[in-house]
Amino acid sequence: GQQVQQSPTSLVLQEGENAELQCNFSTSLNSMQWFYQRPGGSLVSVFYNPSGTKQSGRLTSTTVIKERRSSLHISSSQITDSGTYLCAMTSGSWQLIFGSGTQLTVMP
Amino acid sequence: NAGVIQTPRHKVTGKGQEATLWCEPISGHSAVFWYRQTIVQGLEFLTYFRNQAPIDDSGMPKERFSAQMPNQSHSTLKIQSTQPQDSAVYLCASSLAGNTGQLYFGEGSKLTVL
Repeated sequence: GQQVQQSPTSLVLQEGENAELQCNFSTSLNSMQWFYQRPGGSLVSVFYNPSGTKQSGRLTSTTVIKERRSSLHISSSQITDSGTYLCAMTSGSWQLIFGSGTQLTVMP
Repeated sequence: NAGVIQTPRHKVTGKGQEATLWCEPISGHSAVFWYRQTIVQGLEFLTYFRNQAPIDDSGMPKERFSAQMPNQSHSTLKIQSTQPQDSAVYLCASSLAGNTGQLYFGEGSKLTVL
């Protein structure tokens, strides 16, 4: 089965609403990262977050390694936040294993 | 810091032709990764170099794909006898500290095989 499960698959918000994105991992993880991708664009690292909580502006990431989960919270969403958010993990190997992504659309 | 540079950004080949994609990692980064992204499969790991040495190529289709890193400033991904199912965006990434460090991706090379 899939090692990285992301939810929701897609999310539509009104500008100003908050978003909560989730990642669950089926195996123990050494590290994990959150990436952002615009349509047709490259991946940009949003958080490198092995464990605990990190905040950057309106974005907050919380990873609980023991529970094999990570979340990305976007507060006061803006239209420019629209795009795909992907989480990825490593688990004892070289490969960064990606989730299938959450497609976020923020409407005016 | 110019970031990870990938060329070409777009490449169109005919079935059976060869395609070579280039990647210039961020200066000083010792780890280079190649990934492939399609709508159906998502992001798939292809291969990983550390200090120019191939470490893991378990994601590479063995028959037609090959990757090299002849020096610390560039890596190439070569696909021989391209097939339509090879159409994808090929992404190169580099990091200071291997797979557990923060990864920086290039803009990608979009390969279309007709």
